[in-house]
Amino acid sequence: NAGVTQTPKFQVLKTGQSMTLQCAQDMNHEYMSWYRQDPGMGLRLIHYSVGAGITDQGEVPNGYNVSRSTTEDFPLRLLSAAPSQTSVYFCASRARQGDGYTFGSGTRLTVV
Amino acid sequence: AQSVAQPEDQVNVAEGNPLTVKCTYSVSGNPYLFWYVQYPNRGLQFLLKYITGDNLVKGSYGFEAEFNKSQTSFHLKKPSALVSDSALYFCAVRDTGRRALTFGSGTRLQVQP
Repeated sequence: NAGVTQTPKFQVLKTGQSMTLQCAQDMNHEYMSWYRQDPGMGLRLIHYSVGAGITDQGEVPNGYNVSRSTTEDFPLRLLSAAPSQTSVYFCASRARQGDGYTFGSGTRLTVV
Repeated sequence: AQSVAQPEDQVNVAEGNPLTVKCTYSVSGNPYLFWYVQYPNRGLQFLLKYITGDNLVKGSYGFEAEFNKSQTSFHLKKPSALVSDSALYFCAVRDTGRRALTFGSGTRLQVQP
């Protein structure tokens, strides 16, 4: 099925561990973003990309890295997990300037 | 900077009654405005958008939204609520000069049978 695929769906990490959240889309969308969702705070932008090889920081980038080597993939790396990074992470993509985003189903991350 | 405010954490409405979920925004240029809906344990689904043109925008599932430039608002409306409309609703804005969406904090809609 066409869309945005995120893996894993659930993950528990210990403080200090690193991991990569995967995001892939098969719609040939140029724009991709990572958001985190926390209760009462809506979605906050972590990093985004406007095309392969181009990334930029969002509202809450600290502790996260991204890369965009292909149009399809936009992985999010947690360098050294902290309990404050416990959240639900969403990847989203869109084709053109005025389009709405298509969201993945999310990754629920718990850092203990 | 761009920002979105959803002043109500929760909206309760009886099935069959009209519903309104409020949203106000702030941008420096012309806005692109969006509404999304999130059902439990799911990602966000696109409902509708305003880019330009008619101030009343119609979207999925019978929802519509009215763009009011003077009040910088983009309220979501539906003439007759369904129990199945119960979900979390997010308003989002992007300035035409920026690349990423800014989301509001969300409004939980509860439709009682």
